[in-house]
Amino acid sequence: AQSVTQPDIHITVSEGASLELRCNYSYGATPYLFWYVQSPGQGLQLLLKYFSGDTLVQGIKGFEAEFKRSQSSFNLRKPSVHWSDAAEYFCAVGDKIIFGKGTRLHILP
Amino acid sequence: NAGVTQTPKFQVLKTGQSMTLQCAQDMNHEYMSWYRQDPGMGLRLIHYSVGAGITDQGEVPNGYNVSRSTTEDFPLRLLSAAPSQTSVYFCASSLRGLAGNTIYFGEGSWLTVV
Repeated sequence: AQSVTQPDIHITVSEGASLELRCNYSYGATPYLFWYVQSPGQGLQLLLKYFSGDTLVQGIKGFEAEFKRSQSSFNLRKPSVHWSDAAEYFCAVGDKIIFGKGTRLHILP
Repeated sequence: NAGVTQTPKFQVLKTGQSMTLQCAQDMNHEYMSWYRQDPGMGLRLIHYSVGAGITDQGEVPNGYNVSRSTTEDFPLRLLSAAPSQTSVYFCASSLRGLAGNTIYFGEGSWLTVV
């Protein structure tokens, strides 16, 4: 069965600091992996996706994610966060798109 | 382009009432799905459809019915609403299976069952 675990419910970082959001998945085959962002009261926006090929995926807004098959992970990173990055981030896996429970990112000025 | 359109945006129901959340897309997408979003739970897949006439259950299908008589429409029916169905509902679609294409989400429908 497909499943996604985002171990961190909340993460707080200072503006300008680097960010890594963790995602672990369970999937029977080569996974399709996604990261979405949701601002309060808004819908979901796709940040990036991985289907195959290069395991380091570049996305919008300066985000990237690395697929590590040996660790069943697809962690999201950003070298320097901006206050506007404060939002909830969802990792998702599979052809039916199963979501994790999300990580809420808080930015300190 | 309209994209994925959900109606209504807000709805209050009494326990036991029935209602239908409408979802329509104008992109000729084969794949459509419904999610519910609850605090701390992320988005959970309710039902999905890979094409007209084909539907299947997701993670949390109980209490919901769907049908897909046309490519464009994928309504979600609550036959007897319960307070546990208070949630934000999102409809989504993609061209040919979510994995191979960008998924488009509707703006959400806020449902409260009292």
